Amino acid sequence: KQEVTQIPAALSVPEGENLVLNCSFTDSAIYNLQWFRQDPGKGLTSLLLIQSSQREQTSGRLNASLDKSSGRSTLYIAASQPGDSATYLCAVGTTDSWGKFQFGAGTQVVVTP
Amino acid sequence: DAGVTQSPTHLIKTRGQQVTLRCSPKSGHDTVSWYQQALGQGPQFIFQYYEEEERQRGNFPDRFSGHQFPNYSSELNVNALLLGDSALYLCASSFSWTGLEKLFFGSGTQLSVL
Repeated sequence: KQEVTQIPAALSVPEGENLVLNCSFTDSAIYNLQWFRQDPGKGLTSLLLIQSSQREQTSGRLNASLDKSSGRSTLYIAASQPGDSATYLCAVGTTDSWGKFQFGAGTQVVVTP
Repeated sequence: DAGVTQSPTHLIKTRGQQVTLRCSPKSGHDTVSWYQQALGQGPQFIFQYYEEEERQRGNFPDRFSGHQFPNYSSELNVNALLLGDSALYLCASSFSWTGLEKLFFGSGTQLSVL
């Protein structure tokens, strides 16, 4: 059974610092991994999707890496801004259940001005 | 282009009642998935609908059922509500059932069971 863990559960950084968010998973038989952002009481917004054959994806200040063999993904957010304050979740799709995603509990990020 | 829309946004029910939540997928999407998110936790997969059939199901009891209509919109029904069913219910749509495409989520329905 796939287990997805995100550590730390919460993180506070001053504006301008780079953010590093971690996601680990136990079953390496994945077909993709997605990173999402969630604002309080709201739905999820897709940030980046990495297919299993890729090592990284980039969009603006965001960069996500994937190491299937070690069961890890990292989301980097450069030059953080107060507007980046949110909960960030990763979700993994495994090849024994196409279309079903296993989510981590998320990392709550606060960027202070 | 409207994204994924869910209704209602908030709902209060009492134990034992039944509830129906609704979802309209993003334009062009044919697959709808439902997730339950308890406070402080990640979303848990309930089930996925494609071509009006339940294609896949998570570890939820039969009290949770759904339906997909020919226009790809979907309903989630929960019978005999329990206090533990209180959560944010999220609908996600995508281009296909495979999961190879990005998931687009609605803003959710916050269900409170008293």
